[in-house]
Amino acid sequence: DARVTQTPRHKVTEMGQEVTMRCQPILGHNTVFWYRQTMMQGLELLAYFRNRAPLDDSGMPKDRFSAEMPDATLATLKIQPSEPRDSAVYFCASGTWTSGDTQYFGPGTRLTVL
Amino acid sequence: GNSVTQMEGPVTLSEEAFLTINCTYTATGYPSLFWYVQYPGEGLQLLLKATKADDKGSNKGFEATYRKETTSFHLEKGSVQVSDSAVYFCALTYNSGGSNYKLTFGKGTLLTVNP
Repeated sequence: DARVTQTPRHKVTEMGQEVTMRCQPILGHNTVFWYRQTMMQGLELLAYFRNRAPLDDSGMPKDRFSAEMPDATLATLKIQPSEPRDSAVYFCASGTWTSGDTQYFGPGTRLTVL
Repeated sequence: GNSVTQMEGPVTLSEEAFLTINCTYTATGYPSLFWYVQYPGEGLQLLLKATKADDKGSNKGFEATYRKETTSFHLEKGSVQVSDSAVYFCALTYNSGGSNYKLTFGKGTLLTVNP
């Protein structure tokens, strides 16, 4: 049963520290999405990639967030420096590139910035 | 712009009750429509989808029909179980130009089913 995996599942850090979250998409999927979920804002799309190229990162705070896909099996989301307002659950999802396609979500990384 | 509006929760029902969660959308063109479910501590998973008008998506006793005339995709289930307790998200994908497809979510509806 193919699944999207994310590491770490939980991360507690102090303000100012760098945070790196990793995602392994389902093999064969060429599209990867990063979402952030908070109680106040709900689900927000931060960025997405197609065939490893960034297509849209307009939802991401550019000054501190960066997203990359070093290869087809790994996507990363970095926050540097982290702030308490970044505390949220970060989800990665993968899929193929069609309008009616299902996005498959990972279990999320719960980030707490103190 | 494109958006999804779903009924606010929380919704609390007794086991075997009938469930409706309303969802309406605003989109240009012909979006695909989805319901995702999120169980506590987990990521979202697809519940059902419909890709064109009048299509009915169904899964695990849940149904939703793509109504273009009313721009709606209401989720229904005839008899809910305690295990259906979760947050339900209505969503759409649309072609935002060129070959870009984005998934837009509603804010989610928390459903609690009591025994």
